[in-house]
Amino acid sequence: EIVLTQSPGTLSLSPGERATLSCRASQSVSSNYLAWFQQKPGQAPRLLIYGASGRAAGIPDRFSGSGSGTDFTLTISRLEPEDFAVYYCHQYGSSPWTFGQGTKVEVK
Amino acid sequence: EVHLVESGGDLVEPGGSLRLSCAASGFIFSDFSMNWVRQAPGKGLEWVSYISSSSSTIYFADSVKGRFTISRDNAKNSLYLQMNSLRDEDTAVYYCARTGTVTPLSVFWGQGTLVTVSS
Repeated sequence: EIVLTQSPGTLSLSPGERATLSCRASQSVSSNYLAWFQQKPGQAPRLLIYGASGRAAGIPDRFSGSGSGTDFTLTISRLEPEDFAVYYCHQYGSSPWTFGQGTKVEVK
Repeated sequence: EVHLVESGGDLVEPGGSLRLSCAASGFIFSDFSMNWVRQAPGKGLEWVSYISSSSSTIYFADSVKGRFTISRDNAKNSLYLQMNSLRDEDTAVYYCARTGTVTPLSVFWGQGTLVTVSS
């Protein structure tokens, strides 16, 4: 099973700042099948990034993904008020598909 | 528009059983694989099970293997999760999710149904 470790656990930033979230895999993610989800309280997760760097439909271009192999990054270039949420990375290249433990982006 | 609605969540005693359903609309259900993903209260996401479009390929997380069964009825546009021998640690919101066209990535999600296992 591929274990995904996200860092930091919590990121305290102000609107307009840049957010950089990390996801490290215990082994190489097959075909870079690495996704990022955003989740707000009481809501289902929302797909942001697929295939490490592809932006899902309707996702603003301030969200970008990068990385390959075992190290991946989600960057939010300028935080908007609606971006404060929990973010999960997810690998779907090898069964069992797994999720990271999440990074909470909170208002500083 | 893709629409997924889960139902069947309830309070059940340890050792009990429950069947979850997911009603799909807005797409050709028989063309897509489906996943169940759960989230314990205040915790992260955990993938539970996967079923291919024709039900020919099925996977389970080790935590539920042997206790849960996944199935689908393409004629009824419905996905199911039969949960037996329920444990306290199965308490969670259960989401059904539709995959993309090629990969097992959960692209579209329902709003979830709450399963509480407690005596």
